[in-house]
Amino acid sequence: QSALTQPASVSGSPGQSITISCTGTSSDVGGYNYVSWYQQHPGKAPKLMIYDVSNRPSGVSNRFSGSKSGNTASLTISGLQAADEADYHCNSYTSSSTFVFGTGTKVTVL
Amino acid sequence: QVQLVESGGGVVQPGRSLGLSCAASGFTFSHYGMHWVRQAPGKGLEWVAIIWYDGSNKYYADSVKGRFTISRDNSKNTLYLQMNSLRAEDTAIYYCARADAGNTAFDYWGQGTLVTVSS
Repeated sequence: QSALTQPASVSGSPGQSITISCTGTSSDVGGYNYVSWYQQHPGKAPKLMIYDVSNRPSGVSNRFSGSKSGNTASLTISGLQAADEADYHCNSYTSSSTFVFGTGTKVTVL
Repeated sequence: QVQLVESGGGVVQPGRSLGLSCAASGFTFSHYGMHWVRQAPGKGLEWVAIIWYDGSNKYYADSVKGRFTISRDNSKNTLYLQMNSLRAEDTAIYYCARADAGNTAFDYWGQGTLVTVSS
């Protein structure tokens, strides 16, 4: 159960688009369309932003979108805003009926 | 509104045990799977365990298998995590989270309870 690989940090200017990658294996990310993404502000609980690779829960801005190709999933934030500055974590279901999180990415709005 | 409130955290010596609880409200608890997720200080999230809506199936991360036990009491709308043989590396904020309808994501989270394992 190795953690999924995410870049430690990603930054962008307001209004720009950024993409966070999440790389796993064929036993997790590549094997199932069960990748989810979570936003976490400092000292707060995580919040679900994307589920099942590309679905947004009710109330989540359409500036957030998800996709997957092979063993790598991606979260794109378009029209970057100051409020988007946070940590982002990916998660995947695995072939062992367990779940695994990514290493986490800190998003900085310049 | 969905509420999840964890309790039971604290300071415990290595090798000892501790039990956590998560009180759920605002939804039909017995219809949903539930997870425990932890976060060590300054680190990323780590999935710990899941229990199905009826308690019939439970799965654990390798790092806690054989030491931690997840359980639930649907009559009390409460999720539990019994942690035995605690180690320094178990120090973390422990969150309970509700499994979404598809059991593929975590749609609601509690605010967490801090467990510190130290002598």
